[in-house]
Amino acid sequence: GAGVSQSPSNKVTEKGKDVELRCDPISGHTALYWYRQSLGQGLEFLIYFQGNSAPDKSGLPSDRFSAERTGGSVSTLTIQRTQQEDSAVYLCASSFSGSSYNEQFFGPGTRLTVL
Amino acid sequence: GENVEQHPSTLSVQEGDSAVIKCTYSDSASNYFPWYKQELGKRPQLIIDIRSNVGEKKDQRIAVTLNKTAKHFSLHITETQPEDSAVYFCAAPYYGGSQGNLIFGKGTKLSVKP
Repeated sequence: GAGVSQSPSNKVTEKGKDVELRCDPISGHTALYWYRQSLGQGLEFLIYFQGNSAPDKSGLPSDRFSAERTGGSVSTLTIQRTQQEDSAVYLCASSFSGSSYNEQFFGPGTRLTVL
Repeated sequence: GENVEQHPSTLSVQEGDSAVIKCTYSDSASNYFPWYKQELGKRPQLIIDIRSNVGEKKDQRIAVTLNKTAKHFSLHITETQPEDSAVYFCAAPYYGGSQGNLIFGKGTKLSVKP
């Protein structure tokens, strides 16, 4: 079946502009996660959704970052007034349920470059 | 919250040798420890995991060991092959397993030289 998909695959934007990144999880997966991966760095947790609710937003770096999930499926990560330090690969993952025992299936990522 | 430290950050071995990557965690309530592999330009994928009720788990050439007392766990790869070259991430649950999000280590870049 179809895996996790993300769009766009690449995004180049100018400092100060807003960007929206989209994630389509595997059908039937109730849990969805956003991570940020900077060059040579690990997977930095941003936010976790269980259904449409976000029990944990503690990883969002600043109030310029927000995310929503509608219909228990598609999620959008929005970065307002982008800064150069926001440049990174943004990965989305989904799992069957919100239990940490469930494998997380990752999308291909969106590479964001802020000029 | 959980804190996960991973060492080394880079590891280079000759084909056929063994490789060991170690991780420590801070939350004694954590009970599940997965390892993900990310090949160059690809997405991370789960390769093995262990729950806290066992001390070791094997799957062909890879194994994971867990020491709950010391709060550390390790990935062991035997008879390494060039296709094992990748970045490996360890992880632990953010709130001891009661929620789904994981905290990942910073990764180990493994290079297997033919």
